[in-house]
Amino acid sequence: DQQVKQNSPSLSVQEGRISILNCDYTNSMFDYFLWYKKYPAEGPTFLISISSIKDKNEDGRFTVFLNKSAKHLSLHIVPSQPGDSAVYFCAARSNNNDMRFGAGTRLTVKP
Amino acid sequence: KAGVTQTPRYLIKTRGQQVTLSCSPISGHRSVSWYQQTPGQGLQFLFEYFSETQRNKGNFPGRFSGRQFSNSRSEMNVSTLELGDSALYLCASSATPIYNEQFFGPGTRLTVL
Repeated sequence: DQQVKQNSPSLSVQEGRISILNCDYTNSMFDYFLWYKKYPAEGPTFLISISSIKDKNEDGRFTVFLNKSAKHLSLHIVPSQPGDSAVYFCAARSNNNDMRFGAGTRLTVKP
Repeated sequence: KAGVTQTPRYLIKTRGQQVTLSCSPISGHRSVSWYQQTPGQGLQFLFEYFSETQRNKGNFPGRFSGRQFSNSRSEMNVSTLELGDSALYLCASSATPIYNEQFFGPGTRLTVL
């Protein structure tokens, strides 16, 4: 059962522009959301997170937005850089520590 | 501080065989989680161990098992391998069962022929 969905398997943007990666979830018990970035031949690395009590968290070029009523979160990268090219995974955790990941979105930032 | 290490990095097996994968967490970390990554399925949670006890288990058949040793190193075993078990198996460690603090290893690429 796909409780966390990333409906776009890939995204291509121009360097300097905004990248928006989307994620939808179905389980209302999720209370913490995370984004991971994965380069080939490496494990995922933690990027940014947001608690369900917030609707926005910002860290440098990365901002995560959470819309609880729509069960939707998004990751904004501004400005996008070629080094941001990677697979981005959305993850959600429930209060019993059940952790679910999306299928990932491959971001390509073109110079 | 050394990161999470996984051995072997690559493995080729045939159907029906069994395989054991190893994960050494970051020094001091007591929680180890295992994930399976396949194209289109993302990361699927297999199980989590903390202080040698399995705390959580995902929706995988009993052919998938694991254990954790007193030094926090963990092994994952898959018996009677099937073609669909071909995947990247990732291990993640954290100091405590707090998933926002997870650190992933590079993974073991298993190919079942």
